[in-house]
Amino acid sequence: DARVTQTPRDKVTEMGQEVTMRCQPILGHNTVFWYRQTMKQGLELLAYFRNRAPLDDSGMPKDRFSAEMPDATLATLKIQPSEPRDSAVYFCASGVSGITDTQYFGPGTRLTVL
Amino acid sequence: GENVEQHPSTLSVQEGDSAVIKCTYSDSASNYFPWYKQELGKRPQLIIDIRSNVGEKKDQRIAVTLNKTAKHFSLHITETQPEDSAVYFCAASKDNQGGKLIFGQGTELSVKP
Repeated sequence: DARVTQTPRDKVTEMGQEVTMRCQPILGHNTVFWYRQTMKQGLELLAYFRNRAPLDDSGMPKDRFSAEMPDATLATLKIQPSEPRDSAVYFCASGVSGITDTQYFGPGTRLTVL
Repeated sequence: GENVEQHPSTLSVQEGDSAVIKCTYSDSASNYFPWYKQELGKRPQLIIDIRSNVGEKKDQRIAVTLNKTAKHFSLHITETQPEDSAVYFCAASKDNQGGKLIFGQGTELSVKP
């Protein structure tokens, strides 16, 4: 049963520190999505990629967030410098665009910025 | 752009009753409508989906209906059980968007034994 994996599962850091979250999409999937979930905002799309190319990152605060796909098996979301308002659960999801728009979510990274 | 509105935000039912969650969308070009269930502390998981060429789809106790004219779709859960308690999200997408889903705000369903 193939699943999206994310690391770390939990991260506690201090304000100003750099945070890197990693995602391994399901093998063969060509789209990767990064979401942020807070109690107030529901599922907020930050950025997404198809075939490793960024399609839309308009949901990300550009001054501190960056998303990349160094290769087909790894997607990263980086926050530098982190702020307390970045505290949230960050989900990665992957899918196969052009066949179906179904997205499969990873377990999430719970980020706490003190 | 597309906007998806979901109601109600919270729903409490007695075990065995039915639950209905409704979503409306704004973009008539949307043609794929999935529903995700998220249990507390877990990842969202797809439970059922429907495409615009179908009006209704059922899978055991859950069903989804789609009204393209009115641009709304609904999730129906019959014979609810305590394990149905979760947050449910509807979403919509259309072709040529790279699989991008626009999510509703979520409905917290509580099934009381």
